[in-house]
Amino acid sequence: DQQVKQNSPSLSVQEGRISILNCDYTNSMFDYFLWYKKYPAEGPTFLISISSIKDKNEDGRFTVFLNKSAKHLSLHIVPSQPGDSAVYFCAAKGSGGSNYKLTFGKGTLLTVNP
Amino acid sequence: EPEVTQTPSHQVTQMGQEVILRCVPISNHLYFYWYRQILGQKVEFLVSFYNNEISEKSEIFDDQFSVERPDGSNFTLKIRSTKLEDSAMYFCARTRQGTDGYTFGSGTRLTVV
Repeated sequence: DQQVKQNSPSLSVQEGRISILNCDYTNSMFDYFLWYKKYPAEGPTFLISISSIKDKNEDGRFTVFLNKSAKHLSLHIVPSQPGDSAVYFCAAKGSGGSNYKLTFGKGTLLTVNP
Repeated sequence: EPEVTQTPSHQVTQMGQEVILRCVPISNHLYFYWYRQILGQKVEFLVSFYNNEISEKSEIFDDQFSVERPDGSNFTLKIRSTKLEDSAMYFCARTRQGTDGYTFGSGTRLTVV
């Protein structure tokens, strides 16, 4: 039951170029979306989030786009840097009550080549 | 200083033994969570803990699992009788309230042999 899907297990880009990481979801009750970055032997680190009432959120080199009708979001990193090489997880949260559970995708390994 | 500290960083245990994983979430956070990641798989929700009670748990969180925050500081996950398939990275996390970006600890790697 994959409610959050990251269909690309890996992505390789050149330093300075744009990295685009994609995520699809199936649960229409999700109303908040987050991107996490994870290095080996470390916990996920929060990068950027977006509420379902928005279609774009930007923070420095990172921009997240949300297309609710397509149930699709993407993370753009520009310009990409070698230090961005990590696994990127898309996560989603439902609305209401005390339910703050995050549902994660399987992750995409980004490699930025110098 | 990390905001969420987990101990131990790595634990090896024999099948059938009990393990306790510890988490020290610093500062005034209300919501605590345990997640796990089996090698090569996605990060999975186990349980959320709010106001000293379990607020939600997944189907993974069966009777062999328990959580508590006995001293108002440490947040523990106990696995009573470990199985080989419990081998995973276990992450503690906290938020103040729902729309915060979670802060995760660096994880405990549990290896059941």
